[in-house]
Amino acid sequence: EAGVAQSPRYKIIEKRQSVAFWCNPISGHATLYWYQQILGQGPKLLIQFQNNGVVDDSQLPKDRFSAERLKGVDSTLKIQPAKLEDSAVYLCASSSAGGAHTEAFFGQGTRLTVV
Amino acid sequence: AQSVSQHNHHVILSEAASLELGCNYSYGGTVNLFWYVQYPGQHLQLLLKYFSGDPLVKGIKGFEAEFIKSKFSFNLRKPSVQWSDTAEYFCAVNAQNYGQNFVFGPGTRLSVLP
Repeated sequence: EAGVAQSPRYKIIEKRQSVAFWCNPISGHATLYWYQQILGQGPKLLIQFQNNGVVDDSQLPKDRFSAERLKGVDSTLKIQPAKLEDSAVYLCASSSAGGAHTEAFFGQGTRLTVV
Repeated sequence: AQSVSQHNHHVILSEAASLELGCNYSYGGTVNLFWYVQYPGQHLQLLLKYFSGDPLVKGIKGFEAEFIKSKFSFNLRKPSVQWSDTAEYFCAVNAQNYGQNFVFGPGTRLSVLP
């Protein structure tokens, strides 16, 4: 079974620039998550999709972050404009829908450095 | 809102020592519980999970965890650690309702000395 694919693996940008991350979840997984993991901390949920609808985006800084999941498969997360404090690893995860007993599968993450 | 705490930020052990990492959560409803591990340079991987039934669950690589409902705890244990267990360990919780997200603890870094 292929895992969650993310790209790019690494990105360095200057503050105020924009950046986009891409995620391809495990085939058939209806739920997709974007997490932000700052160094030394646990992953923090940014947004959760169920198919192509947003389930939870309460912790997404909507003034600069946006995400979409067109057609309920791939997803992109965008930051515009980036700030220094956005430096983190951005993790994409997916899980199957249809019940309570499910686990999340994670991608390798994109390490973003804002300078 | 759910929250997860982990007792130790950094644990240093010698090989063959026993390990116990603490995890407590705050949520009044029924929960699913997880331990994830992140080896250096690798992605988060599931170590073990608890959904229901026997509160003592066994995972990969000799790890086990015990769910104590009255204490809202899900501590991770291993009788004898190896150098290869050096990693970051994250406890996670999600509410046993459809569509709930996974809430992670801050993580515990384990360093095993050869």
